[in-house]
Amino acid sequence: GQQVMQIPQYQHVQEGEDFTTYCNSSTTLSNIQWYKQRPGGHPVFLIQLVKSGEVKKQKRLTFQFGEAKKNSSLHITATQTTDVGTYFCAGPDSGGGADGLTFGKGTHLIIQP
Amino acid sequence: DVKVTQSSRYLVKRTGEKVFLECVQDMDHENMFWYRQDPGLGLRLIYFSYDVKMKEKGDIPEGYSVSREKKERFSLILESASTNQTSMYLCASLERQGSWEQYFGPGTRLTVT
Repeated sequence: GQQVMQIPQYQHVQEGEDFTTYCNSSTTLSNIQWYKQRPGGHPVFLIQLVKSGEVKKQKRLTFQFGEAKKNSSLHITATQTTDVGTYFCAGPDSGGGADGLTFGKGTHLIIQP
Repeated sequence: DVKVTQSSRYLVKRTGEKVFLECVQDMDHENMFWYRQDPGLGLRLIYFSYDVKMKEKGDIPEGYSVSREKKERFSLILESASTNQTSMYLCASLERQGSWEQYFGPGTRLTVT
């Protein structure tokens, strides 16, 4: 079945440094989603990318979808303590996501003040 | 605001017990999902449903069953709980228009002793 690989598993940064997590799928994706899970919380949707080569920004967060629609990245500029958490990418099993998502294992972002 | 609620935040059960985890969403979503989340493994799809009384197996359905008698309610059943089912269980419902984001409940941390 589909596999979604995400690296790194853990990332320690100093507050103010940048952070990037990478996601690779074993199959071409119709779209890719990103979620954030704060410690003790549940995953919360951040964004969906649909188009090949798409780049979207949300304040300090930049999301990219690869040209082949098999990889994606999330980049955070100048991290803040509020960015702490686990970031997951997820690709639809089929039907755009109506049949569920295959999640990467997540990247835990740890910020040292 | 979409709200997904789960019946318990924490649950402790004994091996062999029958366990019911309840999930309710208030946004009239057709698609609902059950995932389990384990350290180092990310989120894995157990079952999903796209309509009342309809259910489909996800990636790890063994040892679980589900019930969807009403549109807003999706139940996960552990027929005979085992220690390897100790996990965080997350319910989600899907917004099929626009973003296709999944809305997650707060999770139930189940411990089987």
